This record gives sequence, structure tokens and C-alpha cells, in this order.
Amino acid sequence: EPEVTQTPSHQVTQMGQEVILRCVPISNHLYFYWYRQILGQKVEFLVSFYNNEISEKSEIFDDQFSVERPDGSNFTLKIRSTKLEDSAMYFCASSGAGELFFGEGSRLTVL
Amino acid sequence: GEDVEQSLFLSVREGDSSVINCTYTDSSSTYLYWYKQEPGAGLQLLTYIFSNMDMKQDQRLTVLLNKKDKHLSLRIADTQTGDSAIYFCAERMDSSYKLIFGSGTRLLVRP
Repeated sequence: EPEVTQTPSHQVTQMGQEVILRCVPISNHLYFYWYRQILGQKVEFLVSFYNNEISEKSEIFDDQFSVERPDGSNFTLKIRSTKLEDSAMYFCASSGAGELFFGEGSRLTVL
Repeated sequence: GEDVEQSLFLSVREGDSSVINCTYTDSSSTYLYWYKQEPGAGLQLLTYIFSNMDMKQDQRLTVLLNKKDKHLSLRIADTQTGDSAIYFCAERMDSSYKLIFGSGTRLLVRP
């Protein structure tokens, strides 16, 4: 069964450092997303991406965040200068029609 | 505003049916989803229902949608210990690609 894959599974970084989280969406999907889940809180939408541009973003997705699809398969989330409150599980997702599939997540710990 | 509410906890005996409930506020929801999250794992899509449907059945899972009351439920028949997890309800609204998640219901299945 096709799946969304994410790397790394866990990253520990110092505050102020840049982080790139990587995702390989399902190959025939056209819509890509990043969500995050702070420990003990709801899953929150960050951004959606379609046709090589951001289609929607939340208030959380400020200038510190960016997304890119550098080639035909990868979809990345970059956090330019991490803050303590960026510590969370980051989920990538992709969709075709109604279904929306998530990856296993990348746990980011900012010290 | 957009909000999705779920009860926090449900405990059932193995072999019984589980019913997890969810209410949402936005009447323009087009798709409603159920995801399962096991400890330390990603969000597994269980099933989803389009808003013009009342019911959807998939093996042990039955989804009921009451659009008038904005109420969604997930029934798991013959609940097994492997069904113990957190179950998230999510809505997707018309003309948007983002999902709004509930806080999740922790299902505990007692042997």
C-alpha cells in the first residue's frame, strides 16, 4: 500500500538553528500538507501546497516557516530559526481526492 | 468559528462495541474523517464520509453522520485490545483543504 514517508523520525536541535524536515508524499497525489502536534495538544494545520505554491496557511505558519518541493518527489518544511515552542511532532500528509494520508511524523525537540 | 469536540476517554470490554462521538460546528463541512493514533505513531486514516452520506460501513467500522445535529460517530464492532489508541475526528470544509481536528478520544479496551 502506498504511504507517506518522513525523515528524520526524530531531530534534536539548539534554539536558533535551522531545521529541514523531509517528506515523500504518495506518488500520484497532488496536494501536500504539513501539520504539527505539540505534546498533549490537538493536531494543527500549518500549510497546504498545490501546483508548486502554497494554497492555504495558518497563523502558525509565519515567516520562520517555508515549504518547498525541490524535485518531483520530496516536500520539505524548513524552520529558519527554531524556538523552544517549535518542539512538536510534525506530520506531512498528501491527498488525491477525499482521502488524506499522513506520514509517521518527525519529532522535533528544540533545546 | 471552526471547532470539533470529542469526549476524552472511553473504556470498553473486549468483544463489546465501542462508540466514539464527535460534534462539529461548521455546517459547510464536506468531508469528515476518523484517524487512529497509537502511541508514538502517526495518524492512520480509518475511514471518511462525504457530507451527503448518512452512513458508511467498512468491516468492523460504522460511521454515522447526523448533519442536522452536526454529530459524527464511529462504531467499532467486536472491539479488540489492538483497537486501544487515540481516535481523532476531523472535518474539512468546503473550499478549503485543511482539516480541523478534535482533541482525540482515548479508547481503552479491557481484556
